Amino acid sequence: AQTVTQSQPEMSVQEAETVTLSCTYDTSESDYYLFWYKQPPSRQMILVIRQEAYKQQNATENRFSVNFQKAAKSFSLKISDSQLGDAAMYFCAYLANDMRFGAGTRLTVKP
Amino acid sequence: GAVVSQHPSRVICKSGTSVKIECRSLDFQATTMFWYRQFPKQSLMLMATSNEGSKATYEQGVEKDKFLINHASLTLSTLTVTSAHPEDSSFYICSAPQTSGWGDTQYFGPGTRLTVL
Repeated sequence: AQTVTQSQPEMSVQEAETVTLSCTYDTSESDYYLFWYKQPPSRQMILVIRQEAYKQQNATENRFSVNFQKAAKSFSLKISDSQLGDAAMYFCAYLANDMRFGAGTRLTVKP
Repeated sequence: GAVVSQHPSRVICKSGTSVKIECRSLDFQATTMFWYRQFPKQSLMLMATSNEGSKATYEQGVEKDKFLINHASLTLSTLTVTSAHPEDSSFYICSAPQTSGWGDTQYFGPGTRLTVL
């Protein structure tokens, strides 16, 4: 079974600073996708960034980037120049046949 | 990006009644949709995979007779909570994968908050 682990229940960052959220996963598959989703208080799941396992290059989306270490099964999210609107729950997710989520990390952004 | 809708967004029902939740992919077809349950301050737990034209696949521990899933078309999946009880109160979310030249991406509905009195 595939499992996704987020070891940081809560993280805090000062506005304009950089924060890294950790995620590890366990799988025997060779072809899969990894995602970071943001869930604000509205509870709508918003896609932040995605990574195909077959790609060695780390995905980036504006202020969001990942550090994908396939051998280590690690997929961390870096948020640069943090903004107040980044405050939310962040879920790491793995997709092969179906999607599995980590427990989530609550990010607080301090003004 | 692709849009997935859910209806209703909130529902309150009496214990023992059945509630139907709809999940629609608005601008793409989805042969597969997924249903999740999320308790307060917890992660999303996959309940079942809805397959168009065939039976749904349920995760271990999920009662298929209680949570009926019907994937009626390539854009609609429904989850019916039968004989609902207060412990079924939760936030239910559906998702649908869209396959593009960049691979699969899951798009999520806005969720349905079910309260069983």
